[in-house]
Amino acid sequence: AAGVIQSPRHLIKEKRETATLKCYPIPRHDTVYWYQQGPGQDPQFLISFYEKMQSDKGSIPDRFSAQQFSDYHSELNMSSLELGDSALYFCASSQYWTGQTYAKNIQYFGAGTRLSVL
Amino acid sequence: AQSVTQLGSHVSVSEGALVLLRCNYSSSVPPYLFWYVQYPNQGLQLLLKYTTGATLVKGINGFEAEFKKSETSFHLTKPSAHMSDAAEYFCAVSNTDKLIFGTGTRLQVFP
Repeated sequence: AAGVIQSPRHLIKEKRETATLKCYPIPRHDTVYWYQQGPGQDPQFLISFYEKMQSDKGSIPDRFSAQQFSDYHSELNMSSLELGDSALYFCASSQYWTGQTYAKNIQYFGAGTRLSVL
Repeated sequence: AQSVTQLGSHVSVSEGALVLLRCNYSSSVPPYLFWYVQYPNQGLQLLLKYTTGATLVKGINGFEAEFKKSETSFHLTKPSAHMSDAAEYFCAVSNTDKLIFGTGTRLQVFP
């Protein structure tokens, strides 16, 4: 079965540079979530989109922005990178209504993008 | 506000022994509860979930968890540990969009 695809898998940037992370949800999934997992930490929710509209917002810095496109893929844009932004960034997707049940809370995760800021 | 507490950041068991990973939650409304597993340098894999209905939930790889509302718990168990079970396990709660994760429990399995 198709899974959530994230690219790139690894990214190395310097301080003050910008980075763009991409996420391709499971086919027919309409909701995308972004999480940040620092070293030895639990994943922290950043932001989510449902049907191309922002649906919830967590602890996402103002330097970060995200959007969901018409094909449901999402991009997380990160500017003025700081050393503390080094983390594993996960994207997850879910399907609001499967045709039989509401399933928006059942999230499937991608393998993540490991961002290292030097 | 919702929260999750995982008791024990590290759990060590012998191969073949019972695995018990503890999770307690706090939620003002009936929660959705999840266990995810994370192998080194990999993403989060859904082990099992509780939404409604039967309180004993079976997941992949022989794991199961029981939702106990009176104890606000959702402990994860497996009767017999395997070496391949060594990983980080996260309990999570949700009743809206986002998942709120616990701090994780690293399971070590010794031969």
